[in-house]
Amino acid sequence: QQPVQSPQAVILREGEDAVINCSSSKALYSVHWYRQKHGEAPVFLMILLKGGEQKGHEKISASFNEKKQQSSLYLTASQLSYSGTYFCGTEDSNYQLIWGAGTKLIIKP
Amino acid sequence: GAGVSQSPRYKVAKRGQDVALRCDPISGHVSLFWYQQALGQGPEFLTYFQNEAQLDKSGLPSDRFFAERPEGSVSTLKIQRTQQEDSAVYLCASSLVPSGGYLSYEQYFGPGTRLTVT
Repeated sequence: QQPVQSPQAVILREGEDAVINCSSSKALYSVHWYRQKHGEAPVFLMILLKGGEQKGHEKISASFNEKKQQSSLYLTASQLSYSGTYFCGTEDSNYQLIWGAGTKLIIKP
Repeated sequence: GAGVSQSPRYKVAKRGQDVALRCDPISGHVSLFWYQQALGQGPEFLTYFQNEAQLDKSGLPSDRFFAERPEGSVSTLKIQRTQQEDSAVYLCASSLVPSGGYLSYEQYFGPGTRLTVT
């Protein structure tokens, strides 16, 4: 079942912060976050694993609440380059990532 | 050096034609995934290979869709008798290690093949 992302879209001024949420109805093994710019391939941001391990870029932070089956991605001091659509992918069984519908982030100068 | 490459980048097919989409993963990557992405949506899982073995094909939407990775490197996604609802971007991703346990390594995506069925 597809995870639910919120908000669907957000517009920020450069330097502002944003939080993107991802919620699933199933128990999760892992949550993956990717960013996709228009017409380009999704690019890896972060993996959060059951048990607390995280893998990702230094400037990106995220949380994973296993009990609530929720994850949040925190974007601080946003830059123009952060613009794009953010997808969370949730793993509730081996090998399959089920992706949310995406959160479109627009950063204005 | 490269990353994951896919060809063709764009494909226009008449309804009923067969198409073949190619994916060249990063050399040495064990895991390979195919996804279908409709406009404005997230990718949808189609199938997963570990080396040459297709371990999961539960996401293939019909028996018109077939994927193979015969030597554990290049993969081909074939769609027979294409229909308009097959129009989408088809993404391929590879990952360094097998997914035993759970997916704990990042996936590297190719640029996708945009398929338009007329």
